[in-house]
Amino acid sequence: QKEVEQDPGPLSVPEGAIVSLNCTYSNSAFQYFMWYRQYSRKGPELLMYTYSSGNKEDGRFTAQVDKSSKYISLFIRDSQPSDSATYLCAMSRPGGSYIPTFGRGTSLIVHP
Amino acid sequence: ETGVTQTPRHLVMGMTNKKSLKCEQHLGHNAMYWYKQSAKKPLELMFVYNFKEQTENNSVPSRFSPECPNSSHLFLHLHTLQPEDSALYLCASSTRDGNNSPLHFGNGTRLTVT
Repeated sequence: QKEVEQDPGPLSVPEGAIVSLNCTYSNSAFQYFMWYRQYSRKGPELLMYTYSSGNKEDGRFTAQVDKSSKYISLFIRDSQPSDSATYLCAMSRPGGSYIPTFGRGTSLIVHP
Repeated sequence: ETGVTQTPRHLVMGMTNKKSLKCEQHLGHNAMYWYKQSAKKPLELMFVYNFKEQTENNSVPSRFSPECPNSSHLFLHLHTLQPEDSALYLCASSTRDGNNSPLHFGNGTRLTVT
């Protein structure tokens, strides 16, 4: 079993839809959870960064962590064509010396 | 413009060539990383440098040789590569201060080995 599982998609939605992107993980030691967005021909850029369980909201984006289920989600409200990108989840253990483990990324296409 | 700059953006090289990838970070970070990104695969960690010292070498073939002269610059020297080494090579930096600071990536070098 991979440490982090993420469906590569592609996920295609109409403009204005609510998008749900998800990752599952197996290592209960993970405490820090990140979502990166990667546009074509660009590097990943940090979108959301959360610690432990709960929700974090930033504009149209909400990151949710359910540690009991080992499941994290990124919700995008009122999706726009400019949200079309690959979204990578990443997570790490506490201690500062641990390097994040990444998922494969989910390709999202928002069509007008 | 990202705080992590990678050059060149694209590189085509034959299997017998020698080339180098360059990365520079302007964020004041003390750790730098090389990742390989292939289609539909998770990011593959290659090397980590912390305060110029290599702390991770993720079983990378010796045809890849990293160099970190200071905390702001990172190189990846390439020689006698194979076609399967064609990929996007990403450089990243972070602060290794015990607070699990996230990584900041450059835009990568798209490498094609012919």
